[in-house]
Amino acid sequence: DADVTQTPRNRITKTGKRIMLECSQTKGHDRMYWYRQDPGLGLRLIYYSFDVKDINKGEISDGYSVSRQAQAKFSLSLESAIPNQTALYFCATSDETGGKDTQYFGPGTRLTVL
Amino acid sequence: AQRVTQPEKLLSVFKGAPVELKCNYSYSGSPELFWYVQYSRQRLQLLLRHISRESIKGFTADLNKGETSFHLKKPFAQEEDSAMYYCAPLHSGGFKTIFGAGTRLFVKA
Repeated sequence: DADVTQTPRNRITKTGKRIMLECSQTKGHDRMYWYRQDPGLGLRLIYYSFDVKDINKGEISDGYSVSRQAQAKFSLSLESAIPNQTALYFCATSDETGGKDTQYFGPGTRLTVL
Repeated sequence: AQRVTQPEKLLSVFKGAPVELKCNYSYSGSPELFWYVQYSRQRLQLLLRHISRESIKGFTADLNKGETSFHLKKPFAQEEDSAMYYCAPLHSGGFKTIFGAGTRLFVKA
């Protein structure tokens, strides 16, 4: 499903570097999310946004920040990357109408912090 | 606190055998419940949601409010069912979805 795209798909960076992960969607959904996936821990919510003016912290927001530049774009930043932020990051969108908040996921970004 | 538990990290069954992936939740109110699946090299996608009472790819899931469970079942597993499965309650307030840790299903030939 190319409706939700993430860039980059893979990134290797060093401790202390600032990095931005980008998410774009063409589904026209108001709600967007950032998750990280770690083995044995499943998906954990980092931040979510219900519209352009609404940003909310999730379970594990420390060390992360986000920007909702437009309805279609939701970026995740690591201000100063650390090794335990090595993970697979997923962006998702949802529309509370009709599909009752079914989430549509991007392909993921694999981030490695050395 | 809202919580969802998938007690099995890995479940291995033979092709044609029944399969049950367990999910228990601890929630206030009445959550809506979803199962998501991630096949190898594919993105996470919705498998089914309990409000639809549907069967997708032979899978069903029944909400048991007394046991606070939403187990995913299939009577005859197929090799193509091998994937990672996540149970995901959505709080009735609609604020956010909480994902379980996931169960990796491996169906052996």
